[in-house]
Amino acid sequence: GAGVSQSPSNKVTEKGKDVELRCDPISGHTALYWYRQSLGQGLEFLIYFQGNSAPDKSGLPSDRFSAERTGGSVSTLTIQRTQQEDSAVYLCASSPNMAGAQETQYFGPGTRLLVL
Amino acid sequence: TQLLEQSPQFLSIQEGENLTVYCNSSSVFSSLQWYRQEPGEGPVLLVTVVTGGEVKKLKRLTFQFGDARKDSSLHITAAQPGDTGLYLCARQLSGTYKYIFGTGTRLKVLA
Repeated sequence: GAGVSQSPSNKVTEKGKDVELRCDPISGHTALYWYRQSLGQGLEFLIYFQGNSAPDKSGLPSDRFSAERTGGSVSTLTIQRTQQEDSAVYLCASSPNMAGAQETQYFGPGTRLLVL
Repeated sequence: TQLLEQSPQFLSIQEGENLTVYCNSSSVFSSLQWYRQEPGEGPVLLVTVVTGGEVKKLKRLTFQFGDARKDSSLHITAAQPGDTGLYLCARQLSGTYKYIFGTGTRLKVLA
């Protein structure tokens, strides 16, 4: 594929259920980011993966949120016991090299999560 | 603070008009990126500015980085409906791989 893909594109769940969101980065990109975008807001950093290094999880809002990246490629963001305030668009981005100044992030279309 | 403040929050203009949106911070940053996000899609990078006072042009879009590297502006000449979207500025936190995004300016250009 040419770009970053995310699935599902939309997810409606009931409060208290667990959800898994998937991100397929651009092939060969070593850096991967997850962001959350609430309605009408900017992007909130959640987590960052770079190669085989330990991820930077400092943006995860609670211990209900976790993410993994298998084989340096596909990443899954898991939200356990979802709450209504988790409703947002979850965006994934990848970049080709070691993250640094002037690095371009390529974003996927996002997963729109609605918790009822 | 390392927050990025964008103004205005919303802007609705007629096709053909000019506009400027702003991105401000109280702290100095080494570089700044501008993205545009269309409905239902992820943000797309428009430009990165690095040097204080730098001006970059992308067709009808002109980006300027403040001399003190604390602010940036995006000017659109003769706006078109295709310019409609959310304009976001972003900076990388020094010594980290984290990017901070502004809250964005939501632009609507009416035909």
